[in-house]
Amino acid sequence: QQQVKQSPQSLIVQKGGISIINCAYENTAFDYFPWYQQFPGKGPALLIAIRPDVSEKKEGRFTISFNKSAKQFSLHIMDSQPGDSATYFCAASKQAGTALIFGKGTTLSVSS
Amino acid sequence: NAGVTQTPKFRVLKTGQSMTLLCAQDMNHEYMYWYRQDPGMGLRLIHYSVGEGTTAKGEVPDGYNVSRLKKQNFLLGLESAAPSQTSVYFCASSYSMGTQPQHFGDGTRLSIL
Repeated sequence: QQQVKQSPQSLIVQKGGISIINCAYENTAFDYFPWYQQFPGKGPALLIAIRPDVSEKKEGRFTISFNKSAKQFSLHIMDSQPGDSATYFCAASKQAGTALIFGKGTTLSVSS
Repeated sequence: NAGVTQTPKFRVLKTGQSMTLLCAQDMNHEYMYWYRQDPGMGLRLIHYSVGEGTTAKGEVPDGYNVSRLKKQNFLLGLESAAPSQTSVYFCASSYSMGTQPQHFGDGTRLSIL
């Protein structure tokens, strides 16, 4: 049972464009939604995270949009750069000490 | 500050051989995790530990054993390696579980022939 569904599997965006990655979850008890970024040959690293009490969180060019009623959240990368080319994972967890559930990942390629 | 260090970085095994993957963290984190990453499958939790001397099963624990004898170390063992265990293994650690950032090592690429 896949609790966090991520799409698309891969994405190609031109430099300067907007990259959008979507995730949907099933468990309404989830209340922490992070995004991790992974470069080739490296481990994932936390990029940005959101809790369900806000609908949007922005850090630089990266924004998480959260829709609690639809049980969906998305990552927007504005002004995408070749250095943003990486694999992105969404995840979800409950606050009460449970493990993160990861999506299957999206490989982003930003062409120059 | 090294963060999370995984040893070895690469390894090739024959079916049936055993080996241990070592993870060490220097951030005094209570929680440690082992994941495997396979193409199109994302990160799947194998085992985790909530503190020294404790371990628990994750999503895909079969064929693996773990030990947390020291707070800073988390070992992942394969007693009898199988080709299905060919993967990239990541160790991570965090202050608490669920809502604190997990800090990942750079992975161990393991091939079972």
